[in-house]
Amino acid sequence: AQSVTQLGSHVSVSEGALVLLRCNYSSSVPPYLFWYVQYPNQGLQLLLKYTTGATLVKGINGFEAEFKKSETSFHLTKPSAHMSDAAEYFCAVSSNTNAGKSTFGDGTTLTVKP
Amino acid sequence: DTGVSQDPRHKITKRGQNVTFRCDPISEHNRLYWYRQTLGQGPEFLTYFQNEAQLEKSRLLSDRFSAERPKGSFSTLEIQRTEQGDSAMYLCASRAWENTEAFFGQGTRLTVV
Repeated sequence: AQSVTQLGSHVSVSEGALVLLRCNYSSSVPPYLFWYVQYPNQGLQLLLKYTTGATLVKGINGFEAEFKKSETSFHLTKPSAHMSDAAEYFCAVSSNTNAGKSTFGDGTTLTVKP
Repeated sequence: DTGVSQDPRHKITKRGQNVTFRCDPISEHNRLYWYRQTLGQGPEFLTYFQNEAQLEKSRLLSDRFSAERPKGSFSTLEIQRTEQGDSAMYLCASRAWENTEAFFGQGTRLTVV
């Protein structure tokens, strides 16, 4: 069984400030981990993923995340927030036996203040 | 546009009516997934197909729900006798066997009144 916990349903930062969105997962098998972004009434867009190998992964739009097995975490960061980053972000976990079947967290809404 | 396509984007229906949604995956993606997303929640897995075979169904998929993928191309999701609790965004995703992630469509938002 797999599960995802996103700490903080709402995060607010100022434009130019560091973005940190937290994700902890539980998985009985080696996990694949994903971060998606969703804009209102839109589908999900993949920001980045971890499957194997390097634990620090870089994604689109300046986002990156670090897989920490000992902490079962996969937190998403961006050094400098932009107004266009305001959206909902979802962390998800799957396995290598069926990578498309994911368990999602409940999401974190990111607000960026001017 | 070669992404995952879903139709319709929005559907309003009266309680008790049947509705059907369509998903066209990315060409040559043999795996297709359906998810449901309610307000304030993350997507929840409903079912998935490998080619035309439906290989797994979630307990969320009650007997009022049925999904098909004839010929392993597009897929349909039908909800019979809709209830207000069925109001949600229904997302479709597809994946090629060698990919490690699925690609999502824009979703169909269902409102049952």
